[in-house]
Amino acid sequence: GDSVTQMEGPVTLSEEAFLTINCTYTATGYPSLFWYVQYPGEGLQLLLKATKADDKGSNKGFEATYRKETTSFHLEKGSVQVSDSAVYFCALIIQGAQKLVFGQGTRLTINP
Amino acid sequence: ETGVTQSPTHLIKTRGQQVTLRCSSQSGHNTVSWYQQALGQGPQFIFQYYREEENGRGNFPPRFSGLQFPNYSSELNVNALELDDSALYLCASSSVRTSRNNEQFFGPGTRLTVL
Repeated sequence: GDSVTQMEGPVTLSEEAFLTINCTYTATGYPSLFWYVQYPGEGLQLLLKATKADDKGSNKGFEATYRKETTSFHLEKGSVQVSDSAVYFCALIIQGAQKLVFGQGTRLTINP
Repeated sequence: ETGVTQSPTHLIKTRGQQVTLRCSSQSGHNTVSWYQQALGQGPQFIFQYYREEENGRGNFPPRFSGLQFPNYSSELNVNALELDDSALYLCASSSVRTSRNNEQFFGPGTRLTVL
């Protein structure tokens, strides 16, 4: 079946460090890929998305590139801030399907 | 534009009881999906409602049921609550337009605790 595997957390970085959170997927069809962010006590917010191979999603300094050959969608940011502390979820949805399939989440803590 | 809202915010029930959670979809959205997020896990798809009918279901038992109303709001009902039902329940709405991009918009969730 369809699945998403994320880098195990928690991840702790200093402010202005470079961030990478790895995400790989297995899909029975052709997926769209997403990164969602969840701040403490809140629901999920869409951070960025990519709908086809080689697309790059970007938002708020975060980027991820849809790599079909490696079935990956790694999240990167060049210089993290304390306000980026949250849980990050990689997810996929197969075109025409109803459900988002999520990874287990990666907790990110940024220290000043 | 009003976003997705859910009520209540928190709920405490005892094992064996029944619970109803509510969701109002974002303005212009006609599809509602429900997810269960256990502590420390990613959300798991429960089911989706479109035009007041179930339109896909995940691996959840029949005691999880739902409704969608003509105004596209939705309810999630869980009967015979078990301790493992303790979780954050997320509602997400979408429309035909956003579905083309596979986008779903999430509410803040209802935290259910079963004692």
